[in-house]
Amino acid sequence: ETGVTQTPRHLVMGMTNKKSLKCEQHLGHNAMYWYKQSAKKPLELMFVYSLEERVENNSVPSRFSPECPNSSHLFLHLHTLQPEDSALYLCASSQGVGASTDTQYFGPGTRLTVL
Amino acid sequence: AQKITQTQPGMFVQEKEAVTLDCTYDTSDQSYGLFWYKQPSSGEMIFLIYQGSYDEQNATEGRYSLNFQKARKSANLVISASQLGDSAMYFCAMRDETGFQKLVFGTGTRLLVSP
Repeated sequence: ETGVTQTPRHLVMGMTNKKSLKCEQHLGHNAMYWYKQSAKKPLELMFVYSLEERVENNSVPSRFSPECPNSSHLFLHLHTLQPEDSALYLCASSQGVGASTDTQYFGPGTRLTVL
Repeated sequence: AQKITQTQPGMFVQEKEAVTLDCTYDTSDQSYGLFWYKQPSSGEMIFLIYQGSYDEQNATEGRYSLNFQKARKSANLVISASQLGDSAMYFCAMRDETGFQKLVFGTGTRLLVSP
């Protein structure tokens, strides 16, 4: 069962393109997250949304623009990216109740290559 | 700031044997949560097991158990009766109580199970 889906799974774009990553969760969760996973680096949190409101922006460059229209959908809009932005972008969701037991469930990721 | 350390970049184990993946953490919080995730080559991060800092018993989930030694700040994952499908990257993570729902990840351990 896939509780969190991401599209597209693979994306190749030029530095001048504009594209969007989409994440959808079917778990009834209230919080959604974007993470970046670069080669040989730990996962880095980019953005957190709780009840469609952004609650954390982890010093991410403005060329990444998140959007959360409702509690089930999360987008990451990309424009004028750099080659170093090539990475696996993972979306996650959780109940978001604030307890330490709150578990994040991840989607399959979008592998992004910037040429 | 919280930190997760995984000192084993790679581990090898034969099928049906048990293996321990190491994880140490650093935090000044009294209440925290520790997680293990599995990431196959497909990219999806799969939640395996959770341990709360106040839990007196070690967590277990099927073939996975967490050897939690609070005084030593370690939370090692034990996989019993390894299977070929266990070959993947394994990440230890801690819930950051200073940020909303934020997970701090280690650099991961690549496990290879041989027949």
